[in-house]
Amino acid sequence: SQQGEEDPQALSIQEGENATMNCSYKTSINNLQWYRQNSGRGLVHLILIRSNEREKHSGRLRVTLDTSKKSSSLLITASRAADTASYFCAHTGTASKLTFGTGTRLQVML
Amino acid sequence: EAGVTQSPTHLIKTRGQQVTLRCSPISGHTSVYWYQQALGLGLQFLLWYDEGEERNRGNFPPRFSGRQFPNYSSELNVNALELEDSALYLCASSLLGGVGHKAFFGQGTRLTVV
Repeated sequence: SQQGEEDPQALSIQEGENATMNCSYKTSINNLQWYRQNSGRGLVHLILIRSNEREKHSGRLRVTLDTSKKSSSLLITASRAADTASYFCAHTGTASKLTFGTGTRLQVML
Repeated sequence: EAGVTQSPTHLIKTRGQQVTLRCSPISGHTSVYWYQQALGLGLQFLLWYDEGEERNRGNFPPRFSGRQFPNYSSELNVNALELEDSALYLCASSLLGGVGHKAFFGQGTRLTVV
């Protein structure tokens, strides 16, 4: 399967702490994206990083990409209860289809 | 601007029946993706349509099929429903095949097969 793996599968932190999620993939990629899903609803795009980029920021989000290790990480700083959701990485490769990882369920507690 | 719309939002079907799910992409988007998400699991790629053509297909049996219309809307058809087809079916659209373009998702159709 070309599906990526995310780690950890579940993460529980206190509000104000940072949350780090990791994603690994198996194929060559054009870009890697991170999405968020609230309780079984549609996914919302968070950030896209191209294969020739190593780090990208968007607000409280920081994404890194290491193509030599075929891995990416998403850091959410100063987490809030509203950040509670499932987070997925997704990548496009030569086949151009968007392939999703298995997801990390983040719980931010007050 | 309207987002990706899917219909119906919820559906209950009996094993062996057939179902059609519909998706309207964002205006101007030519690519439509379909994904299956079983409860608590990740997204499994089903189908990708672009400019009316099927571009790629996931590892699903032939009873899963679909099409894209000239207005870029899309249908997903599932024949001979099985209990394990119960899932959230998500549609997404993007400008160009997902390469370098983010995907916009609908809210999904929750299919329950009894």
